[in-house]
Amino acid sequence: DGGITQSPKYLFRKEGQNVTLSCEQNLNHDAMYWYRQDPGQGLRLIYYSQIVNDFQKGDIAEGYSVSREKKESFPLTVTSAQKNPTAFYLCASSIGQTSGYEQYFGPGTRLTVT
Amino acid sequence: GQNIDQPTEMTATEGAIVQINCTYQTSGFNGLFWYQQHAGEAPTFLSYNVLDGLEEKGRFSSFLSRSKGYSYLLLKELQMKDSASYLCAAPSSGGYQKVTFGTGTKLQVIP
Repeated sequence: DGGITQSPKYLFRKEGQNVTLSCEQNLNHDAMYWYRQDPGQGLRLIYYSQIVNDFQKGDIAEGYSVSREKKESFPLTVTSAQKNPTAFYLCASSIGQTSGYEQYFGPGTRLTVT
Repeated sequence: GQNIDQPTEMTATEGAIVQINCTYQTSGFNGLFWYQQHAGEAPTFLSYNVLDGLEEKGRFSSFLSRSKGYSYLLLKELQMKDSASYLCAAPSSGGYQKVTFGTGTKLQVIP
């Protein structure tokens, strides 16, 4: 079955540590995205990638980094510079780079940093 | 930039009809999405409107008025499983698939 996977579902880290969240898709989609969701807030875009080896900052990129070395994979690193890293992180993909294509979301990773 | 507004919460009765509104201000218009998100889960696509009017998909319909910057999602014959957040979202202008999401409307369906 085609889809997007994120692992792990729950992740716990100590403050000051970098942590990498995985996102893999086998939908053959060009575009991939990372969002953060906090209680009572909508999805906020962290980074997006329209094609392999290319990515752009979203609205809240500070303290995060990504790579897009393969079409299927778009890992997100939450660095120690991110002031409030505890959140629900969602990865998504869509067929194309132009508007009008729906996004398919992974199940999410809930990160807790203490 | 993009700005999207929708009510925070709504309550409706099982079997009834509910309308969830969304107003948007965008620098360019490239359609409007609606997604459903159950608590703790990923959003799933419901609809995409780019032309004015009502589009029906089973119990769910979505309406768009571009001149008014307004959309609504209409849910008929409400079921308990429809309790979820409903997210309104608009792609950015310029042809890129960068989407701005509203904060979502949490719908509670009661017996």
